[in-house]
Amino acid sequence: EDQVTQSPEALRLQEGESSSLNCSYTVSGLRGLFWYRQDPGKGPEFLFTLYSAGEEKEKERLKATLTKKESFLHITAPKPEDSATYLCAVQAAENRDDKIIFGKGTRLHILP
Amino acid sequence: EADIYQTPRYLVIGTGKKITLECSQTMGHDKMYWYQQDPGMELHLIHYSYGVNSTEKGDLSSESTVSRIRTEHFPLTLESARPSHTSQYLCASSDWGLNQPQHFGDGTRLSIL
Repeated sequence: EDQVTQSPEALRLQEGESSSLNCSYTVSGLRGLFWYRQDPGKGPEFLFTLYSAGEEKEKERLKATLTKKESFLHITAPKPEDSATYLCAVQAAENRDDKIIFGKGTRLHILP
Repeated sequence: EADIYQTPRYLVIGTGKKITLECSQTMGHDKMYWYQQDPGMELHLIHYSYGVNSTEKGDLSSESTVSRIRTEHFPLTLESARPSHTSQYLCASSDWGLNQPQHFGDGTRLSIL
């Protein structure tokens, strides 16, 4: 069964303290892996798509990387405005439609 | 800024009422989706559409129905609301083609008393 697991569930960091969020997945062939940011009371905001192992994408203080079994979202020198829930989602190659499977997310809190 | 709009943002209503949650997008996307999200839990797909007159059920069993008469509009209807329908409902759309990301509205938080 296709599955996405994110860890940790919650993470508190001091401003400037770099860290990484993990997304491990089990699918029969990966078509794409997506990272989203979700603020309280808002819908998820798209950040990155990764397609193949070894790929990296960057946006400001965020960098996403992909291996054959997991993805990391690295946050460098975070600021309080980076506080949000970060969601990982995968699309499996055997899906004939566009269904994507979401993880439960990591709630990130950056303390000033 | 949002190119996909959901109304109402919040709704508190009694059991047995008929409810329609509205979703509109201005991006010209053919594909649209409805998800249900409870606090701390993953998003679950309840309906999706590939275009006008196309509707499919998702993985989560739902007593809701959808319609797609216009490309930009994808409303979700609950014929008779129950407390178990209390949740956040998120609408999304995506462009045609492989690996296109889904873009989300800000959701409707629904509470059934």
